[in-house]
Amino acid sequence: DQQVKQNSPSLSVQEGRISILNCDYTNSMFDYFLWYKKYPAEGPTFLISISSIKDKNEDGRFTVFLNKSAKHLSLHIVPSQPGDSAVYFCAASASNAGNMLTFGGGTRLMVKP
Amino acid sequence: DGGITQSPKYLFRKEGQNVTLSCEQNLNHDAMYWYRQDPGQGLRLIYYSQIVNDFQKGDIAEGYSVSREKKESFPLTVTSAQKNPTAFYLCASTQGSYNSPLHFGNGTRLTVT
Repeated sequence: DQQVKQNSPSLSVQEGRISILNCDYTNSMFDYFLWYKKYPAEGPTFLISISSIKDKNEDGRFTVFLNKSAKHLSLHIVPSQPGDSAVYFCAASASNAGNMLTFGGGTRLMVKP
Repeated sequence: DGGITQSPKYLFRKEGQNVTLSCEQNLNHDAMYWYRQDPGQGLRLIYYSQIVNDFQKGDIAEGYSVSREKKESFPLTVTSAQKNPTAFYLCASTQGSYNSPLHFGNGTRLTVT
């Protein structure tokens, strides 16, 4: 049973427009959420995170929104750039489970010039 | 530059052979992890170690073994008991404090024929 789901395996967006990547979770104990970006044949790199005490966290072009009641988070990239083309993983952890991350299946973002 | 080094990048083995994947970090991180990535399934935790000489099974430990004799090193052995060993293997580390992001290596792609 997947506790973290990314229901869109791929997303295509025009350069300059907004990219919205979605993630749903089922475990109500999750209280910390992260997004990682991964290029082919490389390891994921940390992008942005959010604690459950917040509903929004912004870092430059990247904003993560958390809706706890819906158990849903989203990553917004504005404006999207071709270099953003990668696979994005959301991940979640619970404070009673140490630093164990549960990852979603990933969404491949393609930003067209 | 501090980081995580995984070697080799590509590894080919015959079915029935054990193979060991190397992971070295010079970040002085306490905790280290091994993940496996399969298409569409995200990252699944194989083993983790929070201190030297101690390690714990993750979600899919069967057919794998690890050791943590030194803080910097966390090798993973894929044994012949692993039924589907062909995958992309990722090593990660973190300081160990709650919510510190994982730092990943660039992975090893293992192909078993």
